[in-house]
Amino acid sequence: NAGVTQTPKFQVLKTGQSMTLQCAQDMNHEYMSWYRQDPGMGLRLIHYSVGAGITDQGEVPNGYNVSRSTTEDFPLRLLSAAPSQTSVYFCASSYSNGGISYEQYFGPGTRLTVT
Amino acid sequence: AQSVAQPEDQVNVAEGNPLTVKCTYSVSGNPYLFWYVQYPNRGLQFLLKYITGDNLVKGSYGFEAEFNKSQTSFHLKKPSALVSDSALYFCAVRAFTGGGNKLTFGTGTQLKVEL
Repeated sequence: NAGVTQTPKFQVLKTGQSMTLQCAQDMNHEYMSWYRQDPGMGLRLIHYSVGAGITDQGEVPNGYNVSRSTTEDFPLRLLSAAPSQTSVYFCASSYSNGGISYEQYFGPGTRLTVT
Repeated sequence: AQSVAQPEDQVNVAEGNPLTVKCTYSVSGNPYLFWYVQYPNRGLQFLLKYITGDNLVKGSYGFEAEFNKSQTSFHLKKPSALVSDSALYFCAVRAFTGGGNKLTFGTGTQLKVEL
């Protein structure tokens, strides 16, 4: 059981470039989410999904897109990278019952630098 | 809107002494409350949760937390700290009903346990 996996671990982008952060889980969790972690700000929710084909915005969605075509995968796309998107990105998943999600399992993170 | 406050950026404690990491929350209705731990360059790991029932919740690695509804607090405690407990600790909250599946995190408290 690999849990939640994220690729790549590290990435450097130039301003304006686009890229996709990959996230996969093998626990058959319905709920998946993306967070960014910045010093002194804790974790902030970017987007989340309650199941395949269903996504919604979190606290800081601007500049990011998501899709959920399968239960396992939840990629995060940066459309046109900006220095303000320099951060550590975490993907998480959790069991969901009746639309209520429980404790989340986190991936190891992707450290992104935009120059 | 839901929110979490962790009033201490850092807590220092001697090994063998009891530790407390503070958390207060604001949410509409009854809360789900969580504590997570993050070791350097790692993702977050789930420690414990409160959903309903006994106000004293026991979790991993000897940690426990006490839910206090009147004070809207959920402080993390351990009777005897270990050097290996040194890490970044996050409190998180979501509404028991409504509020979607959005989990709101505090800004984190760095725990340093010294010999």
